[in-house]
Amino acid sequence: SSELTQDPAVSVALGQTVRITCQGDSLRSYYASWYQQKPGQAPVLVIYGKNNRPSGIPDRFSGSSSGNTASLTITGAQAEDEADYYCNSRDSSGNPGVFGGGTKLTVL
Amino acid sequence: QVTLKESGPVLVKPTETLTLTCTVSGFSLSNARMGVSWIRQPPGKALEWLAHIFSNDEKSYSTSLKSRLTISKDTSKSQVVLTMTNMDPVDTATYYCARILYYYDSSGSPNYYFDYWGQGTLVTVSS
Repeated sequence: SSELTQDPAVSVALGQTVRITCQGDSLRSYYASWYQQKPGQAPVLVIYGKNNRPSGIPDRFSGSSSGNTASLTITGAQAEDEADYYCNSRDSSGNPGVFGGGTKLTVL
Repeated sequence: QVTLKESGPVLVKPTETLTLTCTVSGFSLSNARMGVSWIRQPPGKALEWLAHIFSNDEKSYSTSLKSRLTISKDTSKSQVVLTMTNMDPVDTATYYCARILYYYDSSGSPNYYFDYWGQGTLVTVSS
């Protein structure tokens, strides 16, 4: 079955730009969606589709895709962006069944 | 506003069957192109999609857990129920329900995303 691979941890200086990546074969055919999860809280959708932000998500969050890699970019990272980030896409059966292993973002 | 809330036991014994209920508000389970998914997260680990059910009663299950899962809905009660049989300590996790939407991209392929999540319920499997 399809897998999505994320770097376990990434750090960024306050106010700088960081890109979190997600790799997988399914991303050649389907878009990823991205979720932010803070400790003890449920995940929150931050990006879906080509580059769509739900209402209430700051415009410093953006998404992109190339080949088998999807990326979540935070331009001007804030302290409140420190969280775990998960990508999701479809699996080989066509289900929305694959999450990446998550990336822990630290804002220095 | 859209809300989802999970309910069910906090503790189950090995080999027992787990039954979880997701009660939704702010949308109808009969709305087109949307449904409800169950997703779990073992302590300190990643998210794992389990199953979904759409308004047309289309259902799908995780390949690895398919034999143990059943998902159903009661539109009149705005509830989605997930049962998982033969529980094991490795099934200890926070179980989330989430609204799932699908849309067609420019190439005509259906894509999915989870736009609203419940708060989650921690289920511990232990004797």
